[in-house]
Amino acid sequence: GAVVSQHPSRVICKSGTSVKIECRSLDFQATTMFWYRQFPKKSLMLMATSNEGSKATYEQGVEKDKFLINHASLTLSTLTVTSAHPEDSSFYICSAASGTAYNEQFFGPGTRLTVL
Amino acid sequence: AQSVTQPDIHITVSEGASLELRCNYSYGATPYLFWYVQSPGQGLQLLLKYFSGDTLVQGIKGFEAEFKRSQSSFNLRKPSVHWSDAAEYFCAVGATDAGNMLTFGGGTRLMVKP
Repeated sequence: GAVVSQHPSRVICKSGTSVKIECRSLDFQATTMFWYRQFPKKSLMLMATSNEGSKATYEQGVEKDKFLINHASLTLSTLTVTSAHPEDSSFYICSAASGTAYNEQFFGPGTRLTVL
Repeated sequence: AQSVTQPDIHITVSEGASLELRCNYSYGATPYLFWYVQSPGQGLQLLLKYFSGDTLVQGIKGFEAEFKRSQSSFNLRKPSVHWSDAAEYFCAVGATDAGNMLTFGGGTRLMVKP
């Protein structure tokens, strides 16, 4: 099956710093990548959808200047949390879709961000 | 817009007992339906999916789900639960007019008693 990786799996940073999370599709080309945020014991909340070579589409209430998304190639998307604060601490999950059919997304293992 | 409801937030079953997790969706046409499982601190693993055809779909780890259009449901079942099945389960729906976007239910946390 299709494999999606995320790096890092865990990151701890100081308040005010920026953190970059990478999402890679390892064995297929992802025309679309998705970024989700998950709070403890909660479901996944879609943050944004990115298509290779174009600007990301953000969901309502998600600050695009806070959460910068770059989808530079068909196998890599990055999420940068700028000037992170403790309330940004969360579990971030990416997924990738090849666009062939059926809305199927392949999920990465997630990144646990802790902002001190 | 589509929506997904998982009515049970928590379910506890004894090991070896049967399991059914409920999922109801709202969408005007035939949806694409998915069940995912998430262990603590992990990403999502696809258990099974329904696109078309046979309404009873088989998945990994002995799970199956049945699409019932009349009830707008896609319940997940397993005849005999193992302790390793304890996890969070998410139902998701993809709409045919929404590209690759998925809408997730709130999740059901499964606990397994020895």
